[in-house]
Amino acid sequence: QVNLLQSGAALVKPGASVKLSCKGSGYAFTDYYIHWVKQSHGKSLEWIGYINPDSGYADYNGKFESKASLTADKSTNTAYMELSRVTSEDSATYYCARGAYNNYIMDVWGQGASVTVSS
Amino acid sequence: DTILTQSPVLAVSPGERVSISCRATEGVDSYVHWYQQKPGQQPKLLIYKASKLTSGVPARFRGSGSGTDFTLSIDPVEADDTAIYFCQQSWNDRTFGGGTKLELK
Repeated sequence: QVNLLQSGAALVKPGASVKLSCKGSGYAFTDYYIHWVKQSHGKSLEWIGYINPDSGYADYNGKFESKASLTADKSTNTAYMELSRVTSEDSATYYCARGAYNNYIMDVWGQGASVTVSS
Repeated sequence: DTILTQSPVLAVSPGERVSISCRATEGVDSYVHWYQQKPGQQPKLLIYKASKLTSGVPARFRGSGSGTDFTLSIDPVEADDTAIYFCQQSWNDRTFGGGTKLELK
């Protein structure tokens, strides 16, 4: 079945970078976009951006343009999100999700990856 | 940004009907989708494009609305429906509502 498997929890020092991964299986990886979503402290959801794994084109929420960098590796069916110069505000759970229905919806979600920023 | 507003908490008894509202600050056509998130789990897509039911989701869940006002209805509510429900729009970039926590009496 369709599945997105994310990397595990990360503990990161302030000012450092962290790279999260999201591996797709059970479907043609390059046929669907991958979105990334932030959830802080079990609260609401913020859309970070999406990437087209086939072309590598990425589109970002303006709020995250200087924070997140989205990439994808077609050979391993894996999407990545790198967060740079992290602060306590970046402590959250991050989800990847598959974009479907002309990329209007997020129909399958990864299990989430917790990022904790602490010295 | 298009802001989506939801009531924070709703409490209902099992077997009753509940309506969860989502209001947008500007028109988003019918590009509103609903997700259910249970504690410790990832969000799950229930309804897309305002009223289309995702495969495998019980017909107790129903979506309606267009423009700026949207509703997710559950009838009848079951104990397993305890969760947070988020609306999301994809007409103008993508934004999510603040979520409605559904509690059972």
